[in-house]
Amino acid sequence: GQSLEQPSEVTAVEGAIVQINCTYQTSGFYGLSWYQQHDGGAPTFLSYNALDGLEETGRFSSFLSRSDSYGYLLLQELQMKDSASYFCAVRETTGNQGGKLIFGQGTELSVKP
Amino acid sequence: DTEVTQTPKHLVMGMTNKKSLKCEQHMGHRAMYWYKQKAKKPPELMFVYSYEKLSINESVPSRFSPECPNSSLLNLHLHALQPEDSALYLCASSQDWGTDSNQPQHFGDGTRLSIL
Repeated sequence: GQSLEQPSEVTAVEGAIVQINCTYQTSGFYGLSWYQQHDGGAPTFLSYNALDGLEETGRFSSFLSRSDSYGYLLLQELQMKDSASYFCAVRETTGNQGGKLIFGQGTELSVKP
Repeated sequence: DTEVTQTPKHLVMGMTNKKSLKCEQHMGHRAMYWYKQKAKKPPELMFVYSYEKLSINESVPSRFSPECPNSSLLNLHLHALQPEDSALYLCASSQDWGTDSNQPQHFGDGTRLSIL
């Protein structure tokens, strides 16, 4: 089976940089995804890493180290609107469930003025 | 606004009622999903449809009955629900179903369901 660990809460101030870590245990691996969910809203896809290294999309970057079973989401120049829950996710690798996303428990990010 | 549309946004029902949740997408996606989400928790997969056929049922109680009338529509029929079924029900779609490459799931805003 698959399992993921990420911090439950992170607090930072506007304009700062914050890193949300995710470690995973998987029997196989098809890449690490990140989703953002504002309170009362839909989860929104942010990024996907299949290979080691850093992927940058605007203020958000995502990093993966497959040898360490570890990834992180980096948010720069934090804005109040970045306050949300952030989920890391991997795909199930067993049987016919290969499209199933396994989510971490989520990290609630609070951005303070 | 998302590209996956869910109705209604809110639903309050008694334990003896029958109601349906609806989901629609026009992105040409062939996989559609139902998730249940409790507060401060990640989405939990309930059902997966691929090419209008049920591919996954995560041992969901029979009081939840999914239906996929066509490639754009997904329904969830509810009957005799319990108070613990109160949650946010999310619909999602993706281009296909499987482990291939990066196929992000696109979620709707959900239906917030309360069972009295």
